[in-house]
Amino acid sequence: DAKTTQPTSMDCAEGRAANLPCNHSTISGNEYVYWYRQIHSQGPQYIIHGLKNNETNEMASLIITEDRKSSTLILPHATLRDTAVYYCIVRLLSGTYKYIFGTGTRLKVLA
Amino acid sequence: EAGVTQFPSHSVIEKGQTVTLRCDPISGHDNLYWYRRVMGKEIKFLLHFVKESKQDESGMPNNRFLAERTGGTYSTLKVQPAELEDSGVYFCASSLLQGKGTEAFFGQGTRLTVV
Repeated sequence: DAKTTQPTSMDCAEGRAANLPCNHSTISGNEYVYWYRQIHSQGPQYIIHGLKNNETNEMASLIITEDRKSSTLILPHATLRDTAVYYCIVRLLSGTYKYIFGTGTRLKVLA
Repeated sequence: EAGVTQFPSHSVIEKGQTVTLRCDPISGHDNLYWYRRVMGKEIKFLLHFVKESKQDESGMPNNRFLAERTGGTYSTLKVQPAELEDSGVYFCASSLLQGKGTEAFFGQGTRLTVV
């Protein structure tokens, strides 16, 4: 079972920041938080991942709380092309490294 | 750099037939994964190869599914005989798993329809 909880859906105005929350209260100290998205029927697309420090790349920022029980993915200036299902995944980087997908958040960016 | 490539993109077969899906990972990626999403369900892990060895096949649904990765390059997933409940989208992913190369990159998937 997925170790994360996300809202089912969210709307965001185009050009505004999209803040997608994720709860992972049972995360272990050696588990990372990964974010992927799936646009329409394409394959999941990697966005960002982190362990305990905040991370930023060209796509997004990841804010992880100090207790690591929750995180927020931030798309700084959402566009219509960011409309997708966003998955927050807790992943152990040992053993099989498999991802356990949940139901994700369906983000709709509105014009 | 080419991404993960999957063939075919779509396949429609009759119940009882055999289908083979192929995945070409990103060059140099030793780790290869298969996932699938069946109708209305979440994306589920099937198995993980490290080079040509099966590291974890705990997600394989039954013995009608056979995955191979001869030579540690491309991989095939054969379903024989196919059943109606096998319909869905099958994704392949690959990763380096060294340092910052831990993220897996997914292919576009193969949509399998069993009729």
